[in-house]
Amino acid sequence: GAGVSQSPSNKVTEKGKDVELRCDPISGHTALYWYRQSLGQGLEFLIYFQGNSAPDKSGLPSDRFSAERTGGSVSTLTIQRTQQEDSAVYLCASSLIGNGDTQYFGPGTRLTVL
Amino acid sequence: KNEVEQSPQNLTAQEGEFITINCSYSVGISALHWLQQHPGGGIVSLFMLSSGKKKHGRLIATINIQEKHSSLHITASHPRDSAVYICAVWEIQGAQKLVFGQGTRLTINP
Repeated sequence: GAGVSQSPSNKVTEKGKDVELRCDPISGHTALYWYRQSLGQGLEFLIYFQGNSAPDKSGLPSDRFSAERTGGSVSTLTIQRTQQEDSAVYLCASSLIGNGDTQYFGPGTRLTVL
Repeated sequence: KNEVEQSPQNLTAQEGEFITINCSYSVGISALHWLQQHPGGGIVSLFMLSSGKKKHGRLIATINIQEKHSSLHITASHPRDSAVYICAVWEIQGAQKLVFGQGTRLTINP
């Protein structure tokens, strides 16, 4: 079956613009996660959606970052007024039940802010 | 100090060697994950452990909950095993999220 997909695969934007990154999780997975990986750095948690529960937003680096998950499926990560330090690979993952079960990662979106 | 520490940070070995990567953590966890990230960037989940030992092909993962330590072993290593191996833990308390180690970059030379 289809894995986790993300779009776009690459995004180049100018400082100050808003960007939207999309994640399509594996069908039937109730949990969805966003992470980012800056160049040469480790993975950093951003946000976690579990079923219909309010998402855990504790990892979002600033109020310029927001995320939604519509209908318990597709998720969008929005970065407003992008800054150069937002340049990174943004990874989405999904899992069947959440709470630490096996996560399946998408290919990522490489964001470059000029 | 990071909650999840991996060692070594970099490891270069010859094809066929037995490889061990270590992971220590300082928080209470419900599960520990080993992930593999290839040079192209894709991440694959190798193991999820809450106790004991798991084996998949040439890969073996162990965890000692009392000592808060896990190891990933690769037997008969091959150049295609070259990748970054990442340890991550799911904390019992606090924010529900994966906390990642910094990764171990493994290079297997032919």
